[in-house]
Amino acid sequence: NAGVTQTPKFQVLKTGQSMTLQCAQDMNHNSMYWYRQDPGMGLRLIYYSASEGTTDKGEVPNGYNVSRLNKREFSLRLESAAPSQTSVYFCATPDTNTGELFFGEGSRLTVL
Amino acid sequence: AQRVTQPEKLLSVFKGAPVELKCNYSYSGSPELFWYVQYSRQRLQLLLRHISRESIKGFTADLNKGETSFHLKKPFAQEEDSAMYYCALSPNSGNTPLVFGKGTRLSVIA
Repeated sequence: NAGVTQTPKFQVLKTGQSMTLQCAQDMNHNSMYWYRQDPGMGLRLIYYSASEGTTDKGEVPNGYNVSRLNKREFSLRLESAAPSQTSVYFCATPDTNTGELFFGEGSRLTVL
Repeated sequence: AQRVTQPEKLLSVFKGAPVELKCNYSYSGSPELFWYVQYSRQRLQLLLRHISRESIKGFTADLNKGETSFHLKKPFAQEEDSAMYYCALSPNSGNTPLVFGKGTRLSVIA
């Protein structure tokens, strides 16, 4: 029972390259989220999915796209990476009964 | 709109000293408040939530609706408490993504 699994853990991109961050959860939760973590900025919501087949923008969606592939998987895509997207990305899923949010280990992305 | 404010980016205390990490929120309804912690090289995890009124690792937090605060306290800091702490708010449990503060890095000095 891994909880929330993110891949890759580390990635270096050049400006303009594209990539997809993968997230999978085995907790049978309906909702999944993507946050980015930056020094001094805390955790900011990029996109979220309240259920399979739905996605919504969060606080900082520009430059990103998401896909809720099925109940388990929620991917985050950078179509044309920019240095401002250098960050640590976290996938998370809430237990709607308790409100507790379960996080992946994070993906550290550097855009040169 | 809901907002969470953590006024201190960094808090340094000596081992054995009391700790208070401040958190203020802005929300018109009755929110649920949480503290999350991120230890070095570990994933973010829940420390405590106000509705459970529990003490975890010696930490407590009381929701003060009058002052719209949810400060995290511990009477005697330990070196292993050094971590990044985030206060978070949920307008309704589990249905809306949590809103996080900017975080406070606690450094406990031996």
